Amino acid sequence: QKEVEQNSGPLSVPEGAIASLNCTYSDRVSQSFFWYRQYSGKSPELIMSIYSNGDKEDGRFTAQLNKASQYVSLLIRDSQPSDSATYLCAVKVTSGTYKYIFGTGTRLKVLA
Amino acid sequence: EAQVTQNPRYLITVTGKKLTVTCSQNMNHEYMSWYRQDPGLGLRQIYYSMNVEVTDKGDVPEGYKVSRKEKRNFPLILESPSPNQTSLYFCASSRDRGGYEQYFGPGTRLTVT
Repeated sequence: QKEVEQNSGPLSVPEGAIASLNCTYSDRVSQSFFWYRQYSGKSPELIMSIYSNGDKEDGRFTAQLNKASQYVSLLIRDSQPSDSATYLCAVKVTSGTYKYIFGTGTRLKVLA
Repeated sequence: EAQVTQNPRYLITVTGKKLTVTCSQNMNHEYMSWYRQDPGLGLRQIYYSMNVEVTDKGDVPEGYKVSRKEKRNFPLILESPSPNQTSLYFCASSRDRGGYEQYFGPGTRLTVT
């Protein structure tokens, strides 16, 4: 089992809709979770970080964390064509190391 | 401007010819890291460093070396590159010991023939 899993997509949503991206992880003691956006050929850029259970909102983005179920999600409201990118879920491993584990990413397409 | 810089951005080389990819950050971050990104495999951590002279292996360290002699610099060394090291490489930094968001460099596209 992969340590961080994401559906590779593509996830297609119409402009203005809500896009829902999901990520599951296997390390029960992970404490730090991140969503990055990556355009093709570019470097990842941080969208959201979340450290405790519940929701965290920033503009059109909401991250949701459920440590008991070991999943973290990202909601994008009022999706725009410029949101079309690959979204990477990352987990900071805390069990004896200081590694980051990334999922393989979900490709999002927002259709105009 | 706060940033992570990498050089070179593009490199084509031949098998066995030693090369170094430089990485520098101006944010006084303790944590620095190298990743490679391959289609279908995502970002995989090669090495990381929590501070000067403190480095540790990530998930794919074979064939790579790193050093951290200064806080701002974290070069990646390929002593004898092979074609399976053809990839897109990213350097990243984070404050404290990690656990915070990472800031990524622009990437280095390496081709080994």
